[in-house]
Amino acid sequence: GAVVSQHPSRVICKSGTSVKIECRSLDFQATTMFWYRQFPKQSLMLMATSNEGSKATYEQGVEKDKFLINHASLTLSTLTVTSAHPEDSSFYICSARDRSGLAGGTGELFFGEGSRLTVL
Amino acid sequence: SQQGEEDPQALSIQEGENATMNCSYKTSINNLQWYRQNSGRGLVHLILIRSNEREKHSGRLRVTLDTSKKSSSLLITASRAADTASYFCATDGRGKSTFGDGTTLTVKP
Repeated sequence: GAVVSQHPSRVICKSGTSVKIECRSLDFQATTMFWYRQFPKQSLMLMATSNEGSKATYEQGVEKDKFLINHASLTLSTLTVTSAHPEDSSFYICSARDRSGLAGGTGELFFGEGSRLTVL
Repeated sequence: SQQGEEDPQALSIQEGENATMNCSYKTSINNLQWYRQNSGRGLVHLILIRSNEREKHSGRLRVTLDTSKKSSSLLITASRAADTASYFCATDGRGKSTFGDGTTLTVKP
């Protein structure tokens, strides 16, 4: 089945530093990737939609200058949390839509394992 | 706000019993997917049901979709302690996928 790899799985950083999280589709091309944030014991909140070769579309209330998204290729999207602060600590999950029809043409979403960010 | 709402928020049952979780959504969809998440882990895809399908089975899972009521249900039969997890529905439409609030299922051995 299709695999989405997210890296790193865990990261701890100091307040004020920037952290980059990568999301890769390993065996399919993904024109669209999504980034979600999940607080403890809550659901996933869609942050932004990342389209290959164009600017990301951010959901209302998500700071685009804080959460920089780049989708430079059909298999890679990155989320950079800039000048991270403790309130940015969270579980970040990406998903990728299968363009090639690996999942029978349904455009099924495949999810990464998530990245847990802790800002000290 | 989240597209989907799920109920119950929490469900506790004995091993061997069936568990039913419901999901309601607001806008038109292309498909609806159910996911499972163990504590602190990523999402595991369980089943996808398209908007033109009404019921789908996969092993001990049974999913129904009623587009007229904008609702879906996930039934887990003969539950096991290993089924303990959070379950989310995700609706896929208008180019993006949004999640319900989730149901936390606890299966007691």
